[in-house]
Amino acid sequence: QSVLTQPPSVSGAPGQRVTISCTGSSSNIGANYDVHWYQHLPGAAPKLLIYGNNNRPSGVPDRFSGSKSGTSASLAITGLQAEDEAVYYCQSYDISLSGSVFGGGTKLTVL
Amino acid sequence: EVRLLESGGNLVQPGESLRLSCAAAGFSFSSFALTWVRQAPGKGLEWVSSISGSGFDTYSADSVKGRFTISRDNSKNTLFLQMNSLRAEDTAIYYCAREDGSGYYFDYWGQGTLVTVSS
Repeated sequence: QSVLTQPPSVSGAPGQRVTISCTGSSSNIGANYDVHWYQHLPGAAPKLLIYGNNNRPSGVPDRFSGSKSGTSASLAITGLQAEDEAVYYCQSYDISLSGSVFGGGTKLTVL
Repeated sequence: EVRLLESGGNLVQPGESLRLSCAAAGFSFSSFALTWVRQAPGKGLEWVSSISGSGFDTYSADSVKGRFTISRDNSKNTLFLQMNSLRAEDTAIYYCAREDGSGYYFDYWGQGTLVTVSS
């Protein structure tokens, strides 16, 4: 059971828009800690996709965007492409655990 | 270019010990906190342990507290994870990651090293 809750899977057709939710609590996202997102392809290192709720590292396409409100956050992907098929994780800091926490991961399937 | 390369993963029996290493290059090593994150087979990412740039401050998940010890050698640009009293549930790919200085997130990751605990 992960501290941050994500849907196990989402899907969309090429060109469509999908969103992935991440729900936390008052000891992490709700305590004003930022949410970050990672893309994880099989056999590869996780890749930072969004940091500080809604910032993209250099090289990440603007098709990826993040938002945060209250105890939840979302990752939106527009103009879906086949190469977006991956597992996406949200991550934040939890004050009661004194450490980072991850969501359980969401498998994105491009139909 | 930032590079992180883990090593030391192996097949061990329950109760045994193992030491993982992560060799870093391409950045000012002592200026950054570092972290171990693991992924058990078929599961998601799990934060394991973090260490400050100086090495003076360490933090660990409850699941490994008292069994795993994170450390670093800033003279050799290397991060370590000493794992004792290993259990089957410690079986996972272990990644080292650099923590960005501004906000508790991980901007660079290694490729991971596999630890299998089985009799």
